[in-house]
Amino acid sequence: GEDVEQSLFLSVREGDSSVINCTYTDSSSTYLYWYKQEPGAGLQLLTYIFSNMDMKQDQRLTVLLNKKDKHLSLRIADTQTGDSAIYFCADPSGYALNFGKGTSLLVTP
Amino acid sequence: DTGVSQDPRHKITKRGQNVTFRCDPISEHNRLYWYRQTLGQGPEFLTYFQNEAQLEKSRLLSDRFSAERPKGSFSTLEIQRTEQGDSAMYLCASSRLGTGEGYGYTFGSGTRLTVV
Repeated sequence: GEDVEQSLFLSVREGDSSVINCTYTDSSSTYLYWYKQEPGAGLQLLTYIFSNMDMKQDQRLTVLLNKKDKHLSLRIADTQTGDSAIYFCADPSGYALNFGKGTSLLVTP
Repeated sequence: DTGVSQDPRHKITKRGQNVTFRCDPISEHNRLYWYRQTLGQGPEFLTYFQNEAQLEKSRLLSDRFSAERPKGSFSTLEIQRTEQGDSAMYLCASSRLGTGEGYGYTFGSGTRLTVV
């Protein structure tokens, strides 16, 4: 995960929006991904964005991509307590995915 | 299809012992990956199979680690002479060639290894 940087913690109140940010270094990536990991579980693919898009909306999730700055963000609208988890940004490198260290999202009532 | 299955879920072993983990990918997926995740870190790539061929190995995969996918279906990851630094969650993932990278991978729930 050295090439993918994320802030480590985010705390929001239930009902507010959450924004998780990520910077990456591999500019040749065709897709960029967001994964969610709940305690003791594997990773669940949340959403992805094609590199020629600036924005993608999927229900409560909005992904913004700034290719010039190599910056990716995930916005969760109307955040619920069930959204509390670790969120990983991932950038393909060859056959592998490079993951950041993850952002731990805590949603308080 | 129940997704990617990993067995066991947890393994505690003494330092110096050998351990083997199994991964059953989604049946129509011909790509299979192993990752390692330590506490507070994101998953790190270990190795990749396309069908039965092991096409890429990370430098993290020392000589004590070996992975196989004998018939292009399930895969095993063996760690010989385990060390305390091997304690981690070992994640398996699979994907299907030709569906477009936008589908990403499907991960299993992982095998948590503790070396005491």
